[in-house]
Amino acid sequence: GAVVSQHPSRVICKSGTSVKIECRSLDFQATTMFWYRQFPKQSLMLMATSNEGSKATYEQGVEKDKFLINHASLTLSTLTVTSAHPEDSSFYICSARSAGTVNTEAFFGQGTRLTVV
Amino acid sequence: SQQGEEDPQALSIQEGENATMNCSYKTSINNLQWYRQNSGRGLVHLILIRSNEREKHSGRLRVTLDTSKKSSSLLITASRAADTASYFCATDATGGFKTIFGAGTRLFVKA
Repeated sequence: GAVVSQHPSRVICKSGTSVKIECRSLDFQATTMFWYRQFPKQSLMLMATSNEGSKATYEQGVEKDKFLINHASLTLSTLTVTSAHPEDSSFYICSARSAGTVNTEAFFGQGTRLTVV
Repeated sequence: SQQGEEDPQALSIQEGENATMNCSYKTSINNLQWYRQNSGRGLVHLILIRSNEREKHSGRLRVTLDTSKKSSSLLITASRAADTASYFCATDATGGFKTIFGAGTRLFVKA
């Protein structure tokens, strides 16, 4: 299957700082990327959908000013957690799809474990 | 948002036994997918079943889909300790492009 690379895999940051997570599609053009958050022992919750070159669409309850998403190219999307707080500590996972792949799997990154201290 | 429920929430079995996990969802779908996740790690895609399919096999895995009941099941036969993980179903709604996950089943296989 296609490869989606997420970086970093782990990050620890101080409360009040911002953290950027990158999601790259290595061997295909990802017209759409998705960002999920997973708290311990819970499922993946979709945060937002981003299409290349346009603004992200956020799910209900997700603060767009806190979780900044940029999808400037067909191979890269970034999620910036701004002014991070301990309650933002979570596992963040991206996935990517290309246009015309309605009935195929989405490809997931390896995830980023964010710890805010 | 989550699409639906998974049942059971947790399952503990002996090695060699079969494990069955069920998933229900709420909307019409294009397809349903099953994933495995080992503790603290990324997702491993297991099977995708399309809305016009009723059953699919892959090795020791068997997935069924009943669109009239909006439900799916994942059967792992002859389980192994290495199958210990969380299993999630996920759906792509009709007319949509995003994948929504169920609550997951935590499977523990005792050696």
